[in-house]
Amino acid sequence: GENVEQHPSTLSVQEGDSAVIKCTYSDSASNYFPWYKQELGKGPQLIIDIRSNVGEKKDQRIAVTLNKTAKHFSLHITETQPEDSAVYFCAPNTGGFKTIFGAGTRLFVKA
Amino acid sequence: DTAVSQTPKYLVTQMGNDKSIKCEQNLGHDTMYWYKQDSKKFLKIMFSYNNKELIINETVPNRFSPKSPDKAHLNLHINSLELGDSAVYFCASGGGGLNTGELFFGEGSRLTVL
Repeated sequence: GENVEQHPSTLSVQEGDSAVIKCTYSDSASNYFPWYKQELGKGPQLIIDIRSNVGEKKDQRIAVTLNKTAKHFSLHITETQPEDSAVYFCAPNTGGFKTIFGAGTRLFVKA
Repeated sequence: DTAVSQTPKYLVTQMGNDKSIKCEQNLGHDTMYWYKQDSKKFLKIMFSYNNKELIINETVPNRFSPKSPDKAHLNLHINSLELGDSAVYFCASGGGGLNTGELFFGEGSRLTVL
């Protein structure tokens, strides 16, 4: 089965700085690479995703990069704002009915 | 319109009791899930259903019994509640099989067993 590791577990940055979270997976058949954001008291929500035929995708201040050879993908947040403070999860998927989530990264953005 | 809604949002109950959580999605998805999130925020899949059929049961104790009366609903009944069942339970829909894609989550149901 898929083994997913996410680093760091906690990240604290100053407002305006960049944040990078890395996700490593084990199953080379993974073909869908999403990142979810969970705010306090809410369910996780997709913020960006990428498929295996693309190396990078950007949406305003957030971007995802994929290295299929090394089996990892990363979330990049630039110009961080206090409202970016949340828990972020990666969830690489092979196309089955069992999505395994990383352990989560708590991001704190200090104003 | 709420895409995935689950009720109740909070449950507080005594050990040994039975409780149910209901989930409904209006997104037209074939696949629905139950996830358990513990105090350290680990999100662990419990069950997945596709077209009302159980596909995944992640070694969840028999005390947990999901039921899917139709594609839009997936309910979770828990018998003989234990302290370790305290967690936030999330219903989700989407993705599944060849249609790998975004999962849509409900707001969660926080279960506290005393």
